[in-house]
Amino acid sequence: DAMVIQNPRYQVTQFGKPVTLSCSQTLNHNVMYWYQQKSSQAPKLLFHYYDKDFNNEADTPDNFQSRRPNTSFCFLDIRSPGLGDAAMYLCATSRTPGTSGSTDTQYFGPGTRLTVL
Amino acid sequence: GIQVEQSPPDLILQEGANSTLRCNFSDSVNNLQWFHQNPWGQLINLFYIPSGTKQNGRLSATTVATERYSLLYISSSQTTDSGVYFCAVAPGNQFYFGTGTSLTVIP
Repeated sequence: DAMVIQNPRYQVTQFGKPVTLSCSQTLNHNVMYWYQQKSSQAPKLLFHYYDKDFNNEADTPDNFQSRRPNTSFCFLDIRSPGLGDAAMYLCATSRTPGTSGSTDTQYFGPGTRLTVL
Repeated sequence: GIQVEQSPPDLILQEGANSTLRCNFSDSVNNLQWFHQNPWGQLINLFYIPSGTKQNGRLSATTVATERYSLLYISSSQTTDSGVYFCAVAPGNQFYFGTGTSLTVIP
């Protein structure tokens, strides 16, 4: 089945030690998103790729970076994790057809729960 | 940026009861989705509904785009409906989530 896959499902890292989370999709969608969700809060958009174009949200800390080497894969790099970065990280995809600017249904992966010790 | 408010924030229902969840947004949007987040954190698509009305079993949703709100109706609630319900709106490619409604259905 076509889907959005995130690895690992659980990640433990140490304070200040770089960590990379991965996301892959078999939907062939042109837009990929990374969200951060802290306990009892709504998912917060960090950034998204529209094809190869990277779009950073204004309040996303510089500590968070992303790479999209091809259509199927997207990575979230946290350069120096702090205790406040412990959260669920959600990857999602959608399809934006044409140049209308509107996007279709968004599909989410199962998430990676990050613990920072 | 766009503001997305959901009400009520918390809701407790007896099994079999009906409920209405509301999502208000502050600007025009091209896309609106309703999600159910299960206890394991997975966000499950319920509806893609930028306008109009859709139904899927016991759930239905209505979006009035000109008045900037959407409603999610749950009928004959079951304990498996428990969880957090989010609406998410997209002015363009970016999605912004509402504050969520935490639903608990008791037997």
